[in-house]
Amino acid sequence: NAGVMQNPRHLVRRRGQEARLRCSPVKGHSHVYWYRQLPEEGLKFMVYLQKENIIDESGMPKERFSAEFPKEGPSILRIQQVVRGDSAAYFCASSPNSGQVGNTIYFGEGSWLTVV
Amino acid sequence: EDQVTQSPEALRLQEGESSSLNCSYTVSGLRGLFWYRQDPGKGPEFLFTLYSAGEEKEKERLKATLTKKESFLHITAPKPEDSATYLCAVQAGGGGNKLTFGTGTQLKVEL
Repeated sequence: NAGVMQNPRHLVRRRGQEARLRCSPVKGHSHVYWYRQLPEEGLKFMVYLQKENIIDESGMPKERFSAEFPKEGPSILRIQQVVRGDSAAYFCASSPNSGQVGNTIYFGEGSWLTVV
Repeated sequence: EDQVTQSPEALRLQEGESSSLNCSYTVSGLRGLFWYRQDPGKGPEFLFTLYSAGEEKEKERLKATLTKKESFLHITAPKPEDSATYLCAVQAGGGGNKLTFGTGTQLKVEL
């Protein structure tokens, strides 16, 4: 998986709490993506970020979800006031560049969120 | 809207029994078609990217091919360690770097 690091790997939250998922891209990659995989469903795109910029958030729920990729430090996916339906695997991916042929996208091992 | 359909949903093979997985797609201007392997509890592991019809790529027992409407992942003489879910995804020309995934084919190779 080419070095995309995600933590925590497993997270349990009670309904109404906040979940923060962190992602460090492959060294040298400046593009980060978040995907969600619900049980028995395929991977769904959520958001695409570059350093300090959100490029495409067309897959993000309008409320409670936010993402950032600061100049320093990992990318963060934040889910406020979690509900049971947020239980899923959240995958981060990274790539070295944008809009070019050969732009392979590498995935991390995922963060499994369980809301109880 | 970009769409990816994979078939079959599940496939059970005997060791050494070759077969193919299908990925049909509709996309507005294909920039790339990706194949990934996913083991239970793990993230997708990159296998191949194909860019134009007629292109083929190989890696060990796997060979991926691409036409204008579909891609095939051929598995030759599979081994039990090839058991996994194989995911296909497309990247559209005007869609930034977003990948649209199919729901995968769950492959089990038995001794």
